[in-house]
Amino acid sequence: LAKTTQPISMDSYEGQEVNITCSHNNIATNDYITWYQQFPSQGPRFIIQGYKTKVTNEVASLFIPADRKSSTLSLPRVSLSDTAVYYCLVGDRSSGYSTLTFGKGTMLLVSP
Amino acid sequence: EADIYQTPRYLVIGTGKKITLECSQTMGHDKMYWYQQDPGMELHLIHYSYGVNSTEKGDLSSESTVSRIRTEHFPLTLESARPSHTSQYLCASIPAGTVLEAFFGQGTRLTVV
Repeated sequence: LAKTTQPISMDSYEGQEVNITCSHNNIATNDYITWYQQFPSQGPRFIIQGYKTKVTNEVASLFIPADRKSSTLSLPRVSLSDTAVYYCLVGDRSSGYSTLTFGKGTMLLVSP
Repeated sequence: EADIYQTPRYLVIGTGKKITLECSQTMGHDKMYWYQQDPGMELHLIHYSYGVNSTEKGDLSSESTVSRIRTEHFPLTLESARPSHTSQYLCASIPAGTVLEAFFGQGTRLTVV
């Protein structure tokens, strides 16, 4: 299971774009990169997933460089309600992979 | 939107009591997980299951036990609750054929007094 490293915390203001980078230097060929969002007292919520290049959905964009050793979650024009912890996970579905391991995540605080 | 339910949402119980936290999902997911999380802290995997009659211990040592008799249910039991068990317990499931796309329940906030 590839280990991930993310900043412990980030601060932003409403309306700004926020980029959270995750390092995963030992990512394997079959691994996907997945991001979750967690609000206090709630379970994490799946945001976005990608394998390479760029993925965009209604919530965020995920940028993955060619070497796939890092990834960046981009949140456009954040609001106060985007204050949450964001987790980066790396793993695959082959070979009976079954554990879903969360690290410390990045605490994003959005201020007015 | 996935349907995964945890009951109760909140529970205050005395030391030494036996308790079972319920987790149910209606999506037919084979893989299910239990996590323990203290406020502001990491999620710790305590149990997981590949499917019916399959259970494994997770990364965090836990005095709880689980069972998986039916695909839909993955209950967690504490035989004798202690104040150190006070925490939030989160249940999750993953659809077959996906990668790390888990659905989480709302959690059970347990307080042992």
